[in-house]
Amino acid sequence: AQKVTQAQTEISVVEKEDVTLDCVYETRDTTYYLFWYKQPPSGELVFLIRRNSFDEQNEISGRYSWNFQKSTSSFNFTITASQVVDSAVYFCALSGAGANSKLTFGKGITLSVRP
Amino acid sequence: IAGITQAPTSQILAAGRRMTLRCTQDMRHNAMYWYRQDLGLGLRLIHYSNTAGTTGKGEVPDGYSVSRANTDDFPLTLASAVPSQTSVYFCASSDGNRYNEQFFGPGTRLTVL
Repeated sequence: AQKVTQAQTEISVVEKEDVTLDCVYETRDTTYYLFWYKQPPSGELVFLIRRNSFDEQNEISGRYSWNFQKSTSSFNFTITASQVVDSAVYFCALSGAGANSKLTFGKGITLSVRP
Repeated sequence: IAGITQAPTSQILAAGRRMTLRCTQDMRHNAMYWYRQDLGLGLRLIHYSNTAGTTGKGEVPDGYSVSRANTDDFPLTLASAVPSQTSVYFCASSDGNRYNEQFFGPGTRLTVL
């Protein structure tokens, strides 16, 4: 069975601080995919990134970076120089390989960025 | 291109009533999904459909039914709503490739009194 754990439930930071959102996963699959989604106060779910299990390169996109470590089964998300617009709920998710694999979501982390 | 639309946006419903949440996608995706989102529980899969004409049960299917008569539409029906079905419901779709990247609708906020 697959499982995604986001141990942090709520994080509050002051604008311009760096913040890391943790994600730990469990799977028996050798090939799998990891995702992060953002849910701003407006409610929609926004896809941020997909990572393949066979590619452990870290990825940076502007102020966002992701650290994937298979050795610790973690896929952490860092926001550098946080902004008020980063305030949202962030979900980590896991999918097996194959066309009909299902997404398993973590419970989400509520990030509040104060001005 | 609208992507995925859901209707209604929100609804207040008396317990025991029947309700159908609508979901339509225009991306010609094979797979579609229904999730419910509850505070502290994240998103949980209710039902899914890998392709038109097929459906399957997710993690929390009880009290819900779905149908997939064509590629675009995937309605979710609550035959007799109960207060525990108060939630935000998200429909999603995927083109069924190996990545299973899912695209989500805007959600329906349902309150059952």
